[in-house]
Amino acid sequence: AQSVTQLGSHVSVSEGALVLLRCNYSSSVPPYLFWYVQYPNQGLQLLLKYTTGATLVKGINGFEAEFKKSETSFHLTKPSAHMSDAAEYFCAVSRANSGTYKYIFGTGTRLKVLA
Amino acid sequence: ETGVTQSPTHLIKTRGQQVTLRCSSQSGHNTVSWYQQALGQGPQFIFQYYREEENGRGNFPPRFSGLQFPNYSSELNVNALELDDSALYLCASSPANTEAFFGQGTRLTVV
Repeated sequence: AQSVTQLGSHVSVSEGALVLLRCNYSSSVPPYLFWYVQYPNQGLQLLLKYTTGATLVKGINGFEAEFKKSETSFHLTKPSAHMSDAAEYFCAVSRANSGTYKYIFGTGTRLKVLA
Repeated sequence: ETGVTQSPTHLIKTRGQQVTLRCSSQSGHNTVSWYQQALGQGPQFIFQYYREEENGRGNFPPRFSGLQFPNYSSELNVNALELDDSALYLCASSPANTEAFFGQGTRLTVV
């Protein structure tokens, strides 16, 4: 079985400060890992993904995440927060080699950026 | 803009009624998945269709059903609506072996 835990349902940072959103996963098989962002009244937009290869993955809007198998983590970071980063962020896991992706999402972290 | 369109964007139904939600997938995408996102929660997988066949189902009762058409568009049907069915319903389409692209969702309110 697979599951995702996002620590911190709400995170506040000052504009220009480091953003760190935490995600831990549980999977009995090699996972594919994703971060999605959701702006108010909108669907989900892919920020980045890890499938195979390099464990540090870079995404859109300056975000990156590192897959750490030993820690079962896939934390999302951005060096400098911008006001436009305020949104809800979801970590998700899917089975590798399943042919089609069926996501299991965490409960989300709402990021607030303070001026 | 993902190219995945859902209709309607909002609707209100009465408990016990039936509802059909529609999704037009991105061109070339043969896989469609549906997710339910309750307020303050992450999306929950309902089911997936691949080339018109159901290809996996989450922990949802049989009154949640779906279809995928030859053009790969899809419908989600919910019978005997309950108050707890109130949620944002998200459709996601993808080609094989790659990530999904989500539509903007349909906000269903059951009263």
